Amino acid sequence: DAGITQSPRHKVTETGTPVTLRCHQTENHRYMYWYRQDPGHGLRLIHYSYGVKDTDKGEVSDGYSVSRSKTEDFLLTLESATSSQTSVYFCAISDRDRGYGYTFGSGTRLTVV
Amino acid sequence: AQTVTQSQPEMSVQEAETVTLSCTYDTSESDYYLFWYKQPPSRQMILVIRQEAYKQQNATENRFSVNFQKAAKSFSLKISDSQLGDAAMYFCAYRSSTNFGNEKLTFGTGTRLTIIP
Repeated sequence: DAGITQSPRHKVTETGTPVTLRCHQTENHRYMYWYRQDPGHGLRLIHYSYGVKDTDKGEVSDGYSVSRSKTEDFLLTLESATSSQTSVYFCAISDRDRGYGYTFGSGTRLTVV
Repeated sequence: AQTVTQSQPEMSVQEAETVTLSCTYDTSESDYYLFWYKQPPSRQMILVIRQEAYKQQNATENRFSVNFQKAAKSFSLKISDSQLGDAAMYFCAYRSSTNFGNEKLTFGTGTRLTIIP
């Protein structure tokens, strides 16, 4: 399996503070994705990357930014966290070995209080 | 834009019985991939099964099989001989094959499956 790790696994933060979530992969995959999971909404795409310094928006990108300075790292930043951003965040890579399905990280549960 | 619909928010099944989870999707494309993912309480997303739209044969993985009806845009998951470890949230997902360099998945809202001992 492709190695993909997310950090932190859990985080509680206050409204208005910046937060950065990290995704790290060890398999040199080109495509990486950030999703958020909310009850009744399934998983929704926030941002994705198709290479170093190449990123684009997904369907729920407002309030989020991303960066990819190295192939292995994809960072998701909440510039000023709001309670509506309380969610579970998943990083994923597109894995040809899985028929172009995703391999997911273990997720980050973020609570904004 | 493609949409994926899972109309059953929750389902339950007796252990050792068979259960079918429904998924429909909307697309104008002729070639694409469909997936079922399982999310147990551990939160990990696990690929269960995948189907290429150009293949008429339904995919099977051990106790898991799909009923792929391309004309009806339906992709249901059948779990045979249900086990306690099958209890999870199940997500249906769609991926276009035309945007080869942009392999985004669109997910349904999920079905929570409970196994009754």
